[in-house]
Amino acid sequence: NAGVTQTPKFQVLKTGQSMTLQCAQDMNHNSMYWYRQDPGMGLRLIYYSASEGTTDKGEVPNGYNVSRLNKREFSLRLESAAPSQTSVYFCASTLTGQETQYFGPGTRLLVL
Amino acid sequence: GENVEQHPSTLSVQEGDSAVIKCTYSDSASNYFPWYKQELGKRPQLIIDIRSNVGEKKDQRIAVTLNKTAKHFSLHITETQPEDSAVYFCAALSNDYKLSFGAGTTVTVRA
Repeated sequence: NAGVTQTPKFQVLKTGQSMTLQCAQDMNHNSMYWYRQDPGMGLRLIYYSASEGTTDKGEVPNGYNVSRLNKREFSLRLESAAPSQTSVYFCASTLTGQETQYFGPGTRLLVL
Repeated sequence: GENVEQHPSTLSVQEGDSAVIKCTYSDSASNYFPWYKQELGKRPQLIIDIRSNVGEKKDQRIAVTLNKTAKHFSLHITETQPEDSAVYFCAALSNDYKLSFGAGTTVTVRA
């Protein structure tokens, strides 16, 4: 099993450009999450999906959209990137009703 | 929502000494408290967790304690080794299955 995978690993964008971060898991997990990690602020929840077809906002959803394409895949879209969205983005997944979240390797995003 | 505070933000210890990291949380309904270790450039990895019906849990050199009345929990690392150098995050899971993280503690083990 690959666990949780993310693409790309690193991306540079110009202000105003759009992009989609991809996340996939092969553990048959129901719930998936997107976090951003900034220095000195821990991980903050952007959006999550408790099951296929459902999504909900987390702590910092502004400027992002998500799609739960199927049970395996959960994508994060930046429609118009801003320098404040420079961060490391982590995807995570878990079985609904279980507590342990498993993280992907992360995507480093730089917005100029 | 849940608010998790973590102290200290940095911790430097001599190899072989103990390290203690403390966290407090605000939501009394939170019932699961994991600790993650993150090495530079890597993903967070779960190292130990504790549930609200347990006061203490130990796994080799790592232990976690929980005081639900005071709403705080702590990570204890004994006999620290250079490979323990990393950033450690505490977290609390609310009853809607959202994890709230502390800001992290950078631990440096001096040889």
